[in-house]
Formats: sequence, structure tokens, C-alpha cells
Amino acid sequence: DVKVTQSSRYLVKRTGEKVFLECVQDMDHENMFWYRQDPGLGLRLIYFSYDVKMKEKGDIPEGYSVSREKKERFSLILESASTNQTSMYLCASSLGTSNTGELFFGEGSRLTVL
Amino acid sequence: AQSVTQLGSHVSVSEGALVLLRCNYSSSVPPYLFWYVQYPNQGLQLLLKYTSAATLVKGINGFEAEFKKSETSFHLTKPSAHMSDAAEYFCAVSEGDTGRRALTFGSGTRLQVQP
Repeated sequence: DVKVTQSSRYLVKRTGEKVFLECVQDMDHENMFWYRQDPGLGLRLIYFSYDVKMKEKGDIPEGYSVSREKKERFSLILESASTNQTSMYLCASSLGTSNTGELFFGEGSRLTVL
Repeated sequence: AQSVTQLGSHVSVSEGALVLLRCNYSSSVPPYLFWYVQYPNQGLQLLLKYTSAATLVKGINGFEAEFKKSETSFHLTKPSAHMSDAAEYFCAVSEGDTGRRALTFGSGTRLQVQP
């Protein structure tokens, strides 16, 4: 089975702190994604990566950056956390050769910024 | 650009009743379509997907969905609801072979099942 692991299920941070959310997948997938989930808004794409050291902005990249130094790991970085970044963050991965686009998700990281 | 509209943020049914969750999409190319389910405090799990083969797609847990191009719809159904079906359901679209690798999601529908 595909396993996507997010290192922290729950985090509480203070405004202005730098926050790292880590995601690791064990299925050799080329593509990795970070989504943000908010009630009534569904999932919105923050960033995605289709190869090591490659990244592309999604629909809401402002206030976020990402890092992909190894194929299996994709990190989301909040340089200076703000209260409006309180949310559920979902990491996902998919096969590069799979043009259906099916995503495999981690269990999510719920971030609270005080 | 692609988009997904899910009608009804909350749906409530009785146990044993028909489940119908609505999804309409917009896509400039033939789409691939997905339904995902999310149980409390968990990630999303694939229920079923349409990838241009049969228009009636069967998924896990007795769910199915029908792709109707003329109506740009991909509604999710289950003949008889079970208490364990209570969850949030998301419809998503991928732009087929165009190379955009991400899915665009709807806003979700929370299903309640009453005993």
C-alpha cells in the first residue's frame, strides 16, 4: 500500500514563528502536493512538485514555500506564521506516469497559530 | 481552467435510504473525475474514479457514480445508507492528459446518517 506520512498531526505555533511541515512517501512517486483544507472551501492547492528540486505554485502560494531535496520528501514552510494560516494541511503524492491524476493522501497536519 | 461544484454542503439521510451527492464540473478538456471520502481526523481516501472508460463507475463500500457529459455531472450514489457512511465527501477533477498534475476539489459535502 502507498504510505504518505506527515510528521506532525497537531501543531500549535505563535504568530511570527517559522513552521516546517514534513511529508514522506514510500512509493517512489514523482509528484507531491501540499493542499490546505478549510471548512466550506474544500481543498486548495498551495504548491506541488513533479521532480526533485522542482516546484510549481498552486492556487494559494502566498505566505508559503516548499522544499524537495529528495524524491520521497516534500516540506512545506511557513516563514512567518500568521493566524490566517490556522488550517488543516494535507500532503499527497501521485505517479508521474499516471495521467489519471489519482492522489494518495497523508492523514493531515492540523496547525493552530496563536 | 477547471472547477468543481458540489451542491449541498450538508446532506442528511436515514439509515437504509438512498444516498445522492451531487457534483458538477467544468473542464476545457475531457476530464478525469474522482470521489474521495474523509472520515474525522483522517486524510482523504479514494472512493472511485472515472478515466474515460465506462460511464458508470463502481467504487468501494457500495458507492457508484455516473459520468454524464451532456450534464457535466458526476453524482455519487449508494442505494442504502449505513451509519458508517457518515463522513465528508469530495469530488475532484483532473485535466486528463494536459499535464497539470494536480486535482481541483469541490468544497465538500458532509453526509449525516440518522438511525
